[in-house]
Amino acid sequence: GQQVMQIPQYQHVQEGEDFTTYCNSSTTLSNIQWYKQRPGGHPVFLIQLVKSGEVKKQKRLTFQFGEAKKNSSLHITATQTTDVGTYFCAGRGSQGNLIFGKGTKLSVKP
Amino acid sequence: NAGVMQNPRHLVRRRGQEARLRCSPMKGHSHVYWYRQLPEEGLKFMVYLQKENIIDESGMPKERFSAEFPKEGPSILRIQQVVRGDSAAYFCASSLLGGSSYNEQFFGPGTRLTVL
Repeated sequence: GQQVMQIPQYQHVQEGEDFTTYCNSSTTLSNIQWYKQRPGGHPVFLIQLVKSGEVKKQKRLTFQFGEAKKNSSLHITATQTTDVGTYFCAGRGSQGNLIFGKGTKLSVKP
Repeated sequence: NAGVMQNPRHLVRRRGQEARLRCSPMKGHSHVYWYRQLPEEGLKFMVYLQKENIIDESGMPKERFSAEFPKEGPSILRIQQVVRGDSAAYFCASSLLGGSSYNEQFFGPGTRLTVL
């Protein structure tokens, strides 16, 4: 079945350092979504990428969708303590459900 | 503009009891999804429902688990004869559109089930 893999599983950074998480799918994706889950919270939608090679920015966050639409990345510039949480990518299954990666847990040391 | 609501937020059951988890989607949303999350794990898709219909239940165990989304009222995820391995956070999400359409999913706060 379709699988979505994310690396790294954990990332510890010093405040001000950059952070990147990578997402790879076993199959071509029609689109990819990114979610953030704060500790003890629920996933919150960040963005959806649809086009091959698409790049979108939200302030310090940059999202990329690979040319082959099988991989994606999220890059955070100059991390802040408010960036702490787990970042999930999700590909869409055949019926519209989301298939989530296991997430990258980001901790930021002040 | 209430978001997705789930109740109870915390549920404790003994082995063999039944657990009923409720989810009220966002107003106007007719697509509901249930996910299970184990500690330090990602979200595992369980079931996708539209009003009165199960669209995809490929992620739901064949035994003891069932889900419904009636014409009126919340969606219910029911776990019969719970076992310790059922302990997890169960999240419900809803979307305005489903299927092949753009379907940003809005998540509820989750129900944390503990089986003693």
